[in-house]
Amino acid sequence: GAGVSQSPSNKVTEKGKDVELRCDPISGHTALYWYRQSLGQGLEFLIYFQGNSAPDKSGLPSDRFSAERTGGSVSTLTIQRTQQEDSAVYLCGSSTNTHGTAGAFFGQGTRLTVV
Amino acid sequence: GNSVTQMEGPVTLSEEAFLTINCTYTATGYPSLFWYVQYPGEGLQLLLKATKADDKGSNKGFEATYRKETTSFHLEKGSVQVSDSAVYFCALFQSGGSYIPTFGRGTSLIVHP
Repeated sequence: GAGVSQSPSNKVTEKGKDVELRCDPISGHTALYWYRQSLGQGLEFLIYFQGNSAPDKSGLPSDRFSAERTGGSVSTLTIQRTQQEDSAVYLCGSSTNTHGTAGAFFGQGTRLTVV
Repeated sequence: GNSVTQMEGPVTLSEEAFLTINCTYTATGYPSLFWYVQYPGEGLQLLLKATKADDKGSNKGFEATYRKETTSFHLEKGSVQVSDSAVYFCALFQSGGSYIPTFGRGTSLIVHP
C-alpha cells in the first residue's frame, strides 16, 4: 500500500487477555518501529527492526510485550495478560534507509483499551 | 544519549498569528532533524525535515532551520489557521549506530478563530 497500515484501528479487551496488533510497513522499507503513546504523554519507544538483524527490544516495558517481523515485512506486537496501564495508542512506523535522512512514516495507530 | 526538548504547551493563538515552537536537541555527530504533526485522532505525519546544518525544511507554510551552533530546530509559521490545531513533535534521527528516532514530548497548538 501507499502508507503504513495498522490493524485493528481500535481494540477493547478485558484485563488478562492477550492481544495482537498488526503493522504493514511501506513496501521496501527495511526499518520498522513500534512506539506507545499514553493519554497526554509523549512517544515511548518499544522496539526496532532493521532488515534481518536482531531487533532492538530495549524499550519493551515488560516480558508481557513481544514483537516479531516476518519476512522482513509485516510485524505483530503481542501483549500478554493485558493490564489497564497498557491502554494507549500503539504507533508503528517504517523507514527506507539506515542513514536517518528519510525519516520514518507512521500508521494511524491502534487504540488499545483494557477494561 | 540523544534527547529532544520542546517547549511545553499548550500554545494558544488567534488565527493569523505568528507561531514559534521551540526545539533543542542533544546528540553526537550530525543527526537529521524532523517535525511531525499529529491531528486529533490520527497518527504522526512527517511535516518537514533538515538533514544538515543550515538547511531549512519547509512544508504547508511551516519552516524550520537546522542550527548546529545553538542545537536548535524551531518550528515557525507566519500565519496560523484553525486547521493547524494539532500536536507537534520534534524528532532526531542519529546517523551511525542505532537509527531509532528520538522524539520530544510534543507541543499542543490550539488556534482560535
